[in-house]
Amino acid sequence: GQQLNQSPQSMFIQEGEDVSMNCTSSSIFNTWLWYKQDPGEGPVLLIALYKAGELTSNGRLTAQFGITRKDSFLNISASIPSDVGIYFCAGLFAAGNKLTFGGGTRVLVKP
Amino acid sequence: DADVTQTPRNRITKTGKRIMLECSQTKGHDRMYWYRQDPGLGLRLIYYSFDVKDINKGEISDGYSVSRQAQAKFSLSLESAIPNQTALYFCATSDSGTGRNEQFFGPGTRLTVL
Repeated sequence: GQQLNQSPQSMFIQEGEDVSMNCTSSSIFNTWLWYKQDPGEGPVLLIALYKAGELTSNGRLTAQFGITRKDSFLNISASIPSDVGIYFCAGLFAAGNKLTFGGGTRVLVKP
Repeated sequence: DADVTQTPRNRITKTGKRIMLECSQTKGHDRMYWYRQDPGLGLRLIYYSFDVKDINKGEISDGYSVSRQAQAKFSLSLESAIPNQTALYFCATSDSGTGRNEQFFGPGTRLTVL
């Protein structure tokens, strides 16, 4: 089936750092969504993107819909301990009617 | 607050047992979904329903069945549970009327099949 490649699979953050993650696909998307999942909870929608080139912010989070419509990026600025969790991208293919999810990026705090 | 709820939150069962997971929502959304999450993997779609009379298979529907009893309720059944169905199960909803594809998730059910 169609797949999203999300990277990195995991990362360590230090408070105050900026971090980035991305998702790529070989197919064209018309929607990108970014979710965060905390332990023991369901994913929570962070940002939704609907147009190629769109750049949208939600507090310290910024996400972009790639110009080629095959990728998306999520940036977290000035990270804080509560940013720890798993971040998922999800996309809707141009010819599809249901979301496909990336494998997730696990964000951890540096010991 | 409009919400998506799932029951039970945790369930341990034995191989061969029939299990039903329930999802209800007060968001007034017409579309509902069931996903499965395994450690280290993303969410995989089991079944989805765009309205009460509509049921569609997702990418991993084998071994599962669903029932959309009302617009607000969507249940997932495992007719004869097996250990590799041990996973986190999430229900989600979306509203086709917005023209967007944002899905809103419940808190999940942790199912263990022994």
